[in-house]
Amino acid sequence: KAGVTQTPRYLIKTRGQQVTLSCSPISGHRSVSWYQQTPGQGLQFLFEYFSETQRNKGNFPGRFSGRQFSNSRSEMNVSTLELGDSALYLCASKIGTGNTGELFFGEGSRLTVL
Amino acid sequence: QKEVEQDPGPLSVPEGAIVSLNCTYSNSAFQYFMWYRQYSRKGPELLMYTYSSGNKEDGRFTAQVDKSSKYISLFIRDSQPSDSATYLCAMRGGVGGSNYKLTFGKGTLLTVNP
Repeated sequence: KAGVTQTPRYLIKTRGQQVTLSCSPISGHRSVSWYQQTPGQGLQFLFEYFSETQRNKGNFPGRFSGRQFSNSRSEMNVSTLELGDSALYLCASKIGTGNTGELFFGEGSRLTVL
Repeated sequence: QKEVEQDPGPLSVPEGAIVSLNCTYSNSAFQYFMWYRQYSRKGPELLMYTYSSGNKEDGRFTAQVDKSSKYISLFIRDSQPSDSATYLCAMRGGVGGSNYKLTFGKGTLLTVNP
C-alpha cells in the first residue's frame, strides 16, 4: 500500500512569490492535515481537511491556505512568501476525522525562500 | 508555558545502552499520546500510540504515560545505530473533543554510536 506522497520534494522560491504544494493521502484515507516544521518552532499544525471541508485550523496568517479535492488529494498554497516561510511542510493522512485514528506522514516538501 | 516540553538534546549513547526520552505537558485535555521517529530528511513515522496511563511495550520500545504527573516517556532497550534519529512526542485530545490537532514536542536528537 503506497504511503502519503508529497510533491515537489524540494523547491526554492524568492520573497513575494507564491507556492503550491501537493499531497496524495494513503488510499482510503479521507482526512489530510498539514504541518510546518522548522528548527526553531518544531512541528506546527496548519490545517486539516476532511470531505473537502476545512475542519480545523492552526494559528497561521491568511497567506497560508489549502483545499481538498473529491479524491481526498490536497494542496496547500502560501502567497507572498517571506523568508520565515522556509520550512519542511509535512502532509499527513488518516482514515477519519476527529480524535481517532493514527496519523501517517509523508516525507515532506522542503521550501527555501531566498 | 508551552503545552508540550521536550528536551532537544542532543543525546549521544553507546550501542546497547538503554535510552530514556521524555516529555511533559500542561494541557489536561490531552488523552492520546504518541511517539514518532524522524530520520534526517524524512517525514515522521509513528512508533508508539497509547491512551491510558501505564506502560505499552513493542519489541525494544516501551512507552510510559503518567497522566497524574503529565509526563510521558519512551524507553529504547539495546539501542542500535539504526535508532539514531529525532524522536518526537505528540499528543491530542480525547474522542469527541474539539482539539483535533496533534501537538508536538520539538524533538530529541538521538545518536547511537557503534
